[in-house]
Amino acid sequence: GAVVSQHPSWVICKSGTSVKIECRSLDFQATTMFWYRQFPKQSLMLMATSNEGSKATYEQGVEKDKFLINHASLTLSTLTVTSAHPEDSSFYICSASPQRSGYTFGSGTRLTVV
Amino acid sequence: KNEVEQSPQNLTAQEGEFITINCSYSVGISALHWLQQHPGGGIVSLFMLSSGKKKHGRLIATINIQEKHSSLHLTASHPRDSAVYICAPPPGGSQGNLIFGKGTKLSVKP
Repeated sequence: GAVVSQHPSWVICKSGTSVKIECRSLDFQATTMFWYRQFPKQSLMLMATSNEGSKATYEQGVEKDKFLINHASLTLSTLTVTSAHPEDSSFYICSASPQRSGYTFGSGTRLTVV
Repeated sequence: KNEVEQSPQNLTAQEGEFITINCSYSVGISALHWLQQHPGGGIVSLFMLSSGKKKHGRLIATINIQEKHSSLHLTASHPRDSAVYICAPPPGGSQGNLIFGKGTKLSVKP
């Protein structure tokens, strides 16, 4: 079945540094990738929609200059958390819909900013 | 905006019990997804439903589009089924991103 590979699985970084998270579709082309964030004991919330070859669409309240999304190819979307702060510590997960027949999720990235 | 309500929020069962999780949503949709989130965070898509019933192993999902209600049933529950089960319709009937309910945390005791 369709697989989305997400790396890294977890990362600890110092406050003020940047972290890049990659999501790669392994056996299908993903023109659209969704990026979600989940804080402890809360539901997943959509952050942005990544579109291959064009600018990402950000949800209200998500800073586009802080969460940089690049979707330069049909198989790779990246989310960079710039100048990370402790409040950015969260679980980040990507998702794509192969042929709109369902959703495939990456394994998620647990970010801890210290 | 599509609101999603799941019940119960928490569910503890003994191994072997039959489990039912309910989901209600507020706007018309063409399909609804049931997802399973493991304790480590990983998410697996269980079903995409547009009508009727689907079965996969010990899991059965039903949906009534007119009543805006779906149920997920689990037969012969096992401790390895312990996870958060999430009902996720697309917002406003779109086929884009999903919106997620808070989920039902299921704990199956041996």
